[in-house]
Amino acid sequence: DTAVSQTPKYLVTQMGNDKSIKCEQNLGHDTMYWYKQDSKKFLKIMFSYNNKELIINETVPNRFSPKSPDKAHLNLHINSLELGDSAVYFCASSPAWGLAGSEQFFGPGTRLTVL
Amino acid sequence: KNQVEQSPQSLIILEGKNCTLQCNYTVSPFSNLRWYKQDTGRGPVSLTIMTFSENTKSNGRYTATLDADTKQSSLHITASQLSDSASYICVVTSYNYGQNFVFGPGTRLSVLP
Repeated sequence: DTAVSQTPKYLVTQMGNDKSIKCEQNLGHDTMYWYKQDSKKFLKIMFSYNNKELIINETVPNRFSPKSPDKAHLNLHINSLELGDSAVYFCASSPAWGLAGSEQFFGPGTRLTVL
Repeated sequence: KNQVEQSPQSLIILEGKNCTLQCNYTVSPFSNLRWYKQDTGRGPVSLTIMTFSENTKSNGRYTATLDADTKQSSLHITASQLSDSASYICVVTSYNYGQNFVFGPGTRLSVLP
């Protein structure tokens, strides 16, 4: 029944490893997002996909690569993990891109810890 | 520079009391302003969404106001409950050749019995 789900909820890994976080939404939304929330609790948008097409790509290291196999899924793959990647990553979705007042629904977050 | 500032950074109140959280922004052009509630260990949940023409919007005990001239918004919580303890995040959306979401740092509210 969860509208936006993410796996895993917790991820602890060594520096230099490659890892993936998965996100799925069952709301029938067209647009999905990845956000990073650092230790200071600031939420920053990383990527946005609309109908499987990349439409927002903020200044994010190219070690981060999103992939959207279909409208309901947006995965985030991270190569060569660094200590500074430790954060909580949130996936979100909204009905459509550019729709004024469009509401975003957030997933529960994935807490990534890089040792 | 597009920025969203929130005050206070943190707030402690007793159960049953009212409180008001502030949000000032310099985002332009303005599309809409949202208030989110984020419980510890969870994703943000939308409380209100306000466009340029809306001055006030309520959602139960939460009432948001918007003054587009002074670029200020407030979130008023009435008769606070313990479950109101959370971070409240103000987000301003700009729409100029695409959406730009600017997040505030949030206000951490603690409601004590």
